[in-house]
Amino acid sequence: KAGVTQTPRYLIKTRGQQVTLSCSPISGHRSVSWYQQTPGQGLQFLFEYFSETQRNKGNFPGRFSGRQFSNSRSEMNVSTLELGDSALYLCASSLVPGAHNEQFFGPGTRLTVL
Amino acid sequence: AQSVTQLDSQVPVFEEAPVELRCNYSSSVSVYLFWYVQYPNQGLQLLLKYLSGSTLVKGINGFEAEFNKSQTSFHLRKPSVHISDTAEYFCAVSEETSGSRLTFGEGTQLTVNP
Repeated sequence: KAGVTQTPRYLIKTRGQQVTLSCSPISGHRSVSWYQQTPGQGLQFLFEYFSETQRNKGNFPGRFSGRQFSNSRSEMNVSTLELGDSALYLCASSLVPGAHNEQFFGPGTRLTVL
Repeated sequence: AQSVTQLDSQVPVFEEAPVELRCNYSSSVSVYLFWYVQYPNQGLQLLLKYLSGSTLVKGINGFEAEFNKSQTSFHLRKPSVHISDTAEYFCAVSEETSGSRLTFGEGTQLTVNP
């Protein structure tokens, strides 16, 4: 069974631009979560989607948004990019939402904002 | 709100030596506990998890962890490390009321030297 895939793997943007990252969960998994990883702030939860609905949201500004499609694939969007948005963005999937459910992480998308 | 503290940011050890990576958490409700490993330029891989039951949890690659409710700790151990164990290790906690949301510690870089 294929793992979680994220595209693109690497991305370079300039300040003020916007970016869209994509995540395809493991087949059969319906819950998708996103995390931002930076050297300064570590791993921080962005949001969680299930059945095309956002169930949970972390403490990030409104420039960060996401959505989930009927096939469970998810995208996240960052508008008006800032230098501080440079990070590794990780997507994780699980069968259904739940604190006890194992989440499987993708390899991440490395975003660099110049 | 829950929080996680990993007490050591870097742990250098020699090959075949034992190692313990320390993790403390705080939460006002019951939690589930996880240890993840991240190799360079990769996503996170689950090593082990504590959901309930026996406080000693065995995971992959010879790792184990012990849940201590009175000390709110979940330390990770391995009796004999290999060069290939060199990686960053993250302790994480989730709460029943927070869905799939994971709160991570700052990470511990384990470096195994020959």
